[in-house]
Amino acid sequence: DARVTQTPRDKVTEMGQEVTMRCQPILGHNTVFWYRQTMMQGLELLAYFRNRAPLDDSGMPKDRFSAEMPDATLATLKIQPSEPRDSAVYFCASGPLGAKGGYTFGSGTRLTVV
Amino acid sequence: TQLLEQSPQFLSIQEGENLTVYCNSSSVFSSLQWYRQEPGEGPVLLVTVVTGGEVKKLKRLTFQFGDARKDSSLHITAAQPGDTGLYLCAGDNNFNKFYFGSGTKLNVKP
Repeated sequence: DARVTQTPRDKVTEMGQEVTMRCQPILGHNTVFWYRQTMMQGLELLAYFRNRAPLDDSGMPKDRFSAEMPDATLATLKIQPSEPRDSAVYFCASGPLGAKGGYTFGSGTRLTVV
Repeated sequence: TQLLEQSPQFLSIQEGENLTVYCNSSSVFSSLQWYRQEPGEGPVLLVTVVTGGEVKKLKRLTFQFGDARKDSSLHITAAQPGDTGLYLCAGDNNFNKFYFGSGTKLNVKP
């Protein structure tokens, strides 16, 4: 089965450090999402790419978060500097254009900022 | 604020019981999806509904999209322990951008 691969699976870092999370979408999928999941807020949409172009990143704190797709096989989410309130599970999802059939999620990166 | 409100938040039932989970919004969605998420994993798509009033069945699961495309329900018949998980609805606001509901955590006891 094709899958979305996220690395690292778990990351513990100190406050103030830079964190980079990576996502390999399914080959041929041209829509990529970044979500953040916490107990309090549930799944929040952070950023959304189509054909590698950022369409919407209004859900992201702009001062410290950045999302890019340097090529079709890699999406990155960077936090600099990280803060304890950034602790969450970050998910990447990909799908074909107009994916009424739904999107495929990765297994997530569990980030803990101490 | 959540665009989509799910109820109940938590549900603990015995194996064999039936249950219904609701997903409500004041917004109209062009499509709505249901996902199930298990601990340590990402959500996995169960179904997509597109047409108002649409009903889809997946074995013991029945999904319905409201006539006005603002709400949906998921009914499980004769629940089994394997149905345990977090059930999430997600609505498409017509820009292929999906917003998730708050989730219903289901526990089915053997």
